[in-house]
Amino acid sequence: QKEVEQDPGPLSVPEGAIVSLNCTYSNSAFQYFMWYRQYSRKGPELLMYTYSSGNKEDGRFTAQVDKSSKYISLFIRDSQPSDSATYLCAMTPAHTGRRALTFGSGTRLQVQP
Amino acid sequence: EPEVTQTPSHQVTQMGQEVILRCVPISNHLYFYWYRQILGQKVEFLVSFYNNEISEKSEIFDDQFSVERPDGSNFTLKIRSTKLEDSAMYFCASPGTSGRVEQFFGPGTRLTVL
Repeated sequence: QKEVEQDPGPLSVPEGAIVSLNCTYSNSAFQYFMWYRQYSRKGPELLMYTYSSGNKEDGRFTAQVDKSSKYISLFIRDSQPSDSATYLCAMTPAHTGRRALTFGSGTRLQVQP
Repeated sequence: EPEVTQTPSHQVTQMGQEVILRCVPISNHLYFYWYRQILGQKVEFLVSFYNNEISEKSEIFDDQFSVERPDGSNFTLKIRSTKLEDSAMYFCASPGTSGRVEQFFGPGTRLTVL
């Protein structure tokens, strides 16, 4: 079983739609969860960062963490063509000396104008 | 947002040659991380470096790899004898100030081994 699973897509939606991106994980030690956006051949760009369970909102983006189900989500409201990219979830236990991020394989999103 | 830059943006080398990839922080960072991403695959952790020492490394980070901070600012990843399968994007990341968990990635170096 992979440590972090993410549907690769592609996910194609019309402009203005609400997008839901998800990851599941198996390691219960993960405490910190991040969502990155990556354009082709570019570095990952941090979008959202959450600690433990709960919701966090930032503009059009909402991150949700359900540690009991080992499931995290990123919602994008009013999606725009410029949101077309690959979205990566990443997580870490963040114990002292263990801060390396474990990534999902990424979901490719296409927002059609 | 804390930033790091990386040089070169693209490196082409022959199999068996040594390469050095560089990460340059904007300000005084303590934590650094190296990740790689083979084309079409996920981002994979290689090594973390804290206070001038390796703090964590993955199985990928074998004896062919080394890291150092030669001048107190730049942070380098060296691959001693490159293989075809080392072809990938290599990313440096840093949380900026100590104590932060989230990591900010550089633009990457694309390494092509022929």
